[in-house]
Amino acid sequence: QKEVEQNSGPLSVPEGAIASLNCTYSDRVSQSFFWYRQYSGKSPELIMSIYSNGDKEDGRFTAQLNKASQYVSLLIRDSQPSDSATYLCAVGNQAGTALIFGKGTTLSVSS
Amino acid sequence: GAVVSQHPSWVICKSGTSVKIECRSLDFQATTMFWYRQFPKQSLMLMATSNEGSKATYEQGVEKDKFLINHASLTLSTLTVTSAHPEDSSFYICSARSTGIPFNEQFFGPGTRLTVL
Repeated sequence: QKEVEQNSGPLSVPEGAIASLNCTYSDRVSQSFFWYRQYSGKSPELIMSIYSNGDKEDGRFTAQLNKASQYVSLLIRDSQPSDSATYLCAVGNQAGTALIFGKGTTLSVSS
Repeated sequence: GAVVSQHPSWVICKSGTSVKIECRSLDFQATTMFWYRQFPKQSLMLMATSNEGSKATYEQGVEKDKFLINHASLTLSTLTVTSAHPEDSSFYICSARSTGIPFNEQFFGPGTRLTVL
């Protein structure tokens, strides 16, 4: 069974610090990887997608992918209280028809 | 980015009644739509996948006769919870993807909170 694993947290960081969120996946042939942010009571919002090994930066967010280690991470620089949310890691299945979600990591940024 | 809407945003109904939830892609044609359910403090659980013009594919453990899905057009999918019971109370979220959108990206609607009394 294909799985996506995340630490549930909560991960607590002070305002201005770097938050590091990690995710591992079991399906070696996965080709697409996503990070979604979900505020309490709201639906997920896509914040990053990454398809090839290495880093991808978008503003304060950097996604890192290592397919050999089956590992994907999200770094949030200069963390703000508004970044406090649950972050869901999602991995595309081989057929490209669905996403497999992790259980999410709750991030708390204190001011 | 791609916009997906859901209606209603919340609904309260009596046990035994049926509830229909609509999911619309507003600025793109959704070749595939997904329906998820999320209980409090739990992750998203995929219920079913629907492709326009064909029958939905349900995940294991999801009753297809209870959760009726129709994807009649490239911009609209509906989920009908039939004979709802209190244990069906949950946050139902749809998402959509398109061949015109980067590979496998899904965009989520705002969700529908269902409460069955």
